[in-house]
Amino acid sequence: EAGVTQSPTHLIKTRGQQVTLRCSPISGHTSVYWYQQALGLGLQFLLWYDEGEERNRGNFPPRFSGRQFPNYSSELNVNALELEDSALYLCASSSRTSGYEQYFGPGTRLTVT
Amino acid sequence: GQNIDQPTEMTATEGAIVQINCTYQTSGFNGLFWYQQHAGEAPTFLSYNVLDGLEEKGRFSSFLSRSKGYSYLLLKELQMKDSASYLCAALDYKLSFGAGTTVTVRA
Repeated sequence: EAGVTQSPTHLIKTRGQQVTLRCSPISGHTSVYWYQQALGLGLQFLLWYDEGEERNRGNFPPRFSGRQFPNYSSELNVNALELEDSALYLCASSSRTSGYEQYFGPGTRLTVT
Repeated sequence: GQNIDQPTEMTATEGAIVQINCTYQTSGFNGLFWYQQHAGEAPTFLSYNVLDGLEEKGRFSSFLSRSKGYSYLLLKELQMKDSASYLCAALDYKLSFGAGTTVTVRA
């Protein structure tokens, strides 16, 4: 069974630009979660999508947004990039049958210069 | 809101036992997770506790006391490959992670 996949692996952007990160959940999983992990810091919850709808969002500004597609894959969009957006962005998925366990993808390393 | 506290660093010798404590305060509670994260890699699931007591899974065990808002992860027979960051996470409607405990295993 394929795990959670994310693309791209690495990304370098300049301040003010926009970026889109992509995530494909494990087959059969309907929930997708996005986390930000800045260097030396813990995981910070960004967004939760389930069945195509945004269920909750963390304490991040509106320039962080996303969506979930009918096939349950998801995109995370970050507008007007700032230097402090440099981080590892992790996507995780879960299903109602797997309980609350979340399976993480390998992450996208975003560097903003 | 959420408040998850765990020690920043711990060091132990190969073959020894290490206990990583975690205290949490959440507005709701649907369970406590432990994840392992090696440097530069994604977190991997270790354990999930929702009822009080000890869950044992090989060399790793996890304990939960809901009344005390307390959990620990016990790593036995430490191996060099266990050197990693261990993340405690409490679930209400979302997972809230602690900052992680970096465990260094020395020969």
